[in-house]
Amino acid sequence: KNQVEQSPQSLIILEGKNCTLQCNYTVSPFSNLRWYKQDTGRGPVSLTIMTFSENTKSNGRYTATLDADTKQSSLHITASQLSDSASYICVVSPFSGGYNKLIFGAGTRLAVHP
Amino acid sequence: DGGITQSPKYLFRKEGQNVTLSCEQNLNHDAMYWYRQDPGQGLRLIYYSQIVNDFQKGDIAEGYSVSREKKESFPLTVTSAQKNPTAFYLCASSIHTSMNTEAFFGQGTRLTVV
Repeated sequence: KNQVEQSPQSLIILEGKNCTLQCNYTVSPFSNLRWYKQDTGRGPVSLTIMTFSENTKSNGRYTATLDADTKQSSLHITASQLSDSASYICVVSPFSGGYNKLIFGAGTRLAVHP
Repeated sequence: DGGITQSPKYLFRKEGQNVTLSCEQNLNHDAMYWYRQDPGQGLRLIYYSQIVNDFQKGDIAEGYSVSREKKESFPLTVTSAQKNPTAFYLCASSIHTSMNTEAFFGQGTRLTVV
């Protein structure tokens, strides 16, 4: 069964610190892996999208890495800000001939405290 | 400004009632999607549409219905057959349904059964 597991479930850090969120998946073969940020009560917003051939992609203070051999991805947040408080969702798209299917992880809830 | 608009933001339904959630996009996207989000779980696909007048069931379509009469609009009806409708509903769109296409999400509708 195609699955996407994220850890930790929740995380608290102090403003200005760095953190790394993990994503393990069993989807195979896969086309791309995405990270989304979702503020409470809002829709998810895309941070990065990586194809299976990419190892890393950055978007400002967010850097995603991908190891297709071990089926692991991480999202590193540098110099955290209060506005980084949100859920971060890892999403994997299977390599299929059909529609733009997305398999979502349950997310990591990040709280940045002053 | 361009984007996806969901309405209403909050919706309350009595037992046995049908309710319709609105989703409109002005991004000129062919593909639209409805997802359901429950606490501690990843988003699950209810229905998707690749083009006007066409739609397909997702993973949890039972108790829901959709229509796609216009490119811009993809309303979701939660019927009385849906036994556990309380959830956060998210609409998304992408330029088409091919892999690697970016999905953009609306701000969600929170449905509560009272």
